[in-house]
Amino acid sequence: GAGVSQSPSNKVTEKGKDVELRCDPISGHTALYWYRQSLGQGLEFLIYFQGNSAPDKSGLPSDRFSAERTGGSVSTLTIQRTQQEDSAVYLCASSQSGDRRYGYTFGSGTRLTVV
Amino acid sequence: AQTVTQSQPEMSVQEAETVTLSCTYDTSESDYYLFWYKQPPSRQMILVIRQEAYKQQNATENRFSVNFQKAAKSFSLKISDSQLGDAAMYFCAYRYYNNAGNMLTFGGGTRLMVKP
Repeated sequence: GAGVSQSPSNKVTEKGKDVELRCDPISGHTALYWYRQSLGQGLEFLIYFQGNSAPDKSGLPSDRFSAERTGGSVSTLTIQRTQQEDSAVYLCASSQSGDRRYGYTFGSGTRLTVV
Repeated sequence: AQTVTQSQPEMSVQEAETVTLSCTYDTSESDYYLFWYKQPPSRQMILVIRQEAYKQQNATENRFSVNFQKAAKSFSLKISDSQLGDAAMYFCAYRYYNNAGNMLTFGGGTRLMVKP
């Protein structure tokens, strides 16, 4: 696609429910990243996928968070048993390669509200 | 660990004036990239400008320019002739390699307000 697509744009869920957030990166981009942005805050790294390599999960805040990337393209971030502190904007980004010359292309994010 | 610090949570500028946003970082590497991203209310992060650490010349993109001081680990963004559309959150970012590949580390952001 022309850009990074994220869905849904907004999600309201009840505490304790599971949610799935989707990211469709730019075609051909081998690197995919998930970040979390709490209200008025900076970006917190969650997880990184690069090609067929094992993902870097070092930023996931708890075992309630998981992510997968199928076929090297679409990624799904899953949050189980959601808590109110999970409320944030979840941003996905992709990059043309692991080459550090390239910045990221971001999606517009999913705003998650846990009530 | 690399860190990026933006010491100005909020800045304000009059339309058509010039404003400078500050960013400092900490790293032991000699080769890296630095970026400034803009995040308007639409939430989309937009790349404004980037700088390679090995290049001494400061990067410039139209009204946006940087003052890169490698020894001081400082990377400030100057916006000239500010426009209402420049109002947004601005994030400074550093790109490094870790064992798995490469990452962007972001500062906490600066909210820029433009007064008409």
